[in-house]
This record gives sequence, C-alpha cells and structure tokens, in this order.
Amino acid sequence: SAVISQKPSRDICQRGTSLTIQCQVDSQVTMMFWYRQQPGQSLTLIATANQGSEATYESGFVIDKFPISRPNLTFSTLTVSNMSPEDSSIYLCSARVTSGQSTDTQYFGPGTRLTVL
Amino acid sequence: KQEVTQIPAALSVPEGENLVLNCSFTDSAIYNLQWFRQDPGKGLTSLLLIQSSQREQTSGRLNASLDKSSGRSTLYIAASQPGDSATYLCAVRGPSNTGKLIFGQGTTLQVKP
Repeated sequence: SAVISQKPSRDICQRGTSLTIQCQVDSQVTMMFWYRQQPGQSLTLIATANQGSEATYESGFVIDKFPISRPNLTFSTLTVSNMSPEDSSIYLCSARVTSGQSTDTQYFGPGTRLTVL
Repeated sequence: KQEVTQIPAALSVPEGENLVLNCSFTDSAIYNLQWFRQDPGKGLTSLLLIQSSQREQTSGRLNASLDKSSGRSTLYIAASQPGDSATYLCAVRGPSNTGKLIFGQGTTLQVKP
C-alpha cells in the first residue's frame, strides 16, 4: 500500500495569488497524479506528474496555471497560479502502486481544501 | 468515451440493513475497477480493486462484484453501521493498464442508528 500526506490541509487565499501544495508518499511510486474535486462534484484528473520530465496535462488544464514538479519518486508539488474564486476546490494527490500485493491500486491523499476570496 | 454512472445518488438506511450500491460503465473494455470511500471534506480511501479477469472481491463486510460484459459492478455492504456513512465512489481504468481512472459521481450513504 501507500500512505500519502499533503500540505497544507486547507488554505484561504486572495484572488491573484498562488499556492503550492506538497504531496509526500511513504514509498517509491512510479505514477503520481493530481486531481481536483469541485464542490459537490466527482474527481477530475488535472495531470500525471512524471519523475524527471514535464507533467502530462489533461484537456482543459495547462502548465502555466497548474505547474507541477516531481523531483523524485516520493514527492510532488502542484501550484495553483493566479487564483480566482473558480479555483476553490479540494485538490488531491494520488499514487498508483505497480508492484507487490497492492499492484494496480490507486491511493489518495487527504486533500487540500482551497478557498479563494 | 467512457462514462461511469452510480445509482442511487443518495441512500438512507437503518442500521443493520444489508445494502447494494450500483455502478455502471459504458465501455466494457476496462482494465480494472476500484471502489473508494470518501468522508466529508476528506480524501479517498481505497476499499476494493477488481481486475477485469475477476468476478468479485471481498474485504470484511464488503463484497464487490464485476460483470464486465454488461458494464456493471455492485458494492454489497452487509450489516450496515452508522460508521459506514460516507460517499462511495466507483472508478474504472481502461482499456489498458495505462488508462486513467474515470470516476462516477458517487452514492452518498447515510446509515441511521
């Protein structure tokens, strides 16, 4: 299995500012992901965080707005840039285990609840 | 394009009842299906993973079944407890192991004491 922690757990930010969310996994994982969950909605994949190369973004999400870093196999950051109230969501980090008893299981962090005023 | 639907959107049952949550998907070419639980304002907890070659998986009071040909999965919860109250999400990956997870909208379960 994989245990995922995120910081901060929540934040209230002003319009036009940026917030960086950190994600730490307790074991080395090949695949890490960032999701957004808007109020009352299900999860939407923002991007796949690739170790050592640029993230792969889903349709509707761009690097300038959501820059992602993945310096090693246990850590990633997501920055929400130039925030607007529409960015108010829960942001979730996720990792997929590709070996061992939990192969193919995808795990999620506790989420970062972002409110933009 | 894969679409995942969960019915009902909300369910309220008395404690002790056995219940079934439903998940359907439009494209049967899936790699696996995963059930999650989400408590209000929290992240997702993985409950069960069913590979496309499997018919069911069990963990404690939970049993998940998969009928790939009909595009359906069910999550059976036995002897429900108030602590089971949460939103249950179904997600499918496909068509291969490099596919992304596609989530349903979830079923919000309330178990009344």
